[in-house]
Amino acid sequence: DTGVSQDPRHKITKRGQNVTFRCDPISEHNRLYWYRQTLGQGPEFLTYFQNEAQLEKSRLLSDRFSAERPKGSFSTLEIQRTEQGDSAMYLCASSSRERLGVYEQFFGPGTRLTVL
Amino acid sequence: GENVEQHPSTLSVQEGDSAVIKCTYSDSASNYFPWYKQELGKRPQLIIDIRSNVGEKKDQRIAVTLNKTAKHFSLHITETQPEDSAVYFCAASIQSGFQKLVFGTGTRLLVSP
Repeated sequence: DTGVSQDPRHKITKRGQNVTFRCDPISEHNRLYWYRQTLGQGPEFLTYFQNEAQLEKSRLLSDRFSAERPKGSFSTLEIQRTEQGDSAMYLCASSSRERLGVYEQFFGPGTRLTVL
Repeated sequence: GENVEQHPSTLSVQEGDSAVIKCTYSDSASNYFPWYKQELGKRPQLIIDIRSNVGEKKDQRIAVTLNKTAKHFSLHITETQPEDSAVYFCAASIQSGFQKLVFGTGTRLLVSP
């Protein structure tokens, strides 16, 4: 499968624990995005990387959240001291310039986080 | 602020009927409008998109129309089939140094045989 992959697919944790998710984008896609999706809602933007540089973070992303993309390939999203409100689907997407001015985003299958 | 409204939240049609989903956006600088289909437990998948220099785009049974003046765009599915049943999300790009997408809240489409 040459699409975006995410690991793990499911994570159950206790409140207060730290969790880390991984995203592997489509090969050679230099743009990578993290989104959060709660039940009945559309994906909400969290953060964006161009190569290894994190260029934007949403105000939704509290200081308990950190994301990295150390070599411009895979990315990790860490949540420290998890809270029940962090329970959601965390989606990763990647894109590259495929058509002039348009960056089509391809989504991964997501990591479903449940905080007990 | 950045906002995309989507209606209806649920839509039930009979197989063979047409379905229309409407979205409005707030940022007049938005220039890219993709539509994603998300089946239960699966990833969102791009089904069609339109850029601001085009008023309509078709791909087989799916079409999207854009009215820049009114800042709204719509998804049209003709000859619906049970496998079209899913949640559909519209999105609009926000100019933020990159192509940031703001999504609507989704429309659950149910096509009954």
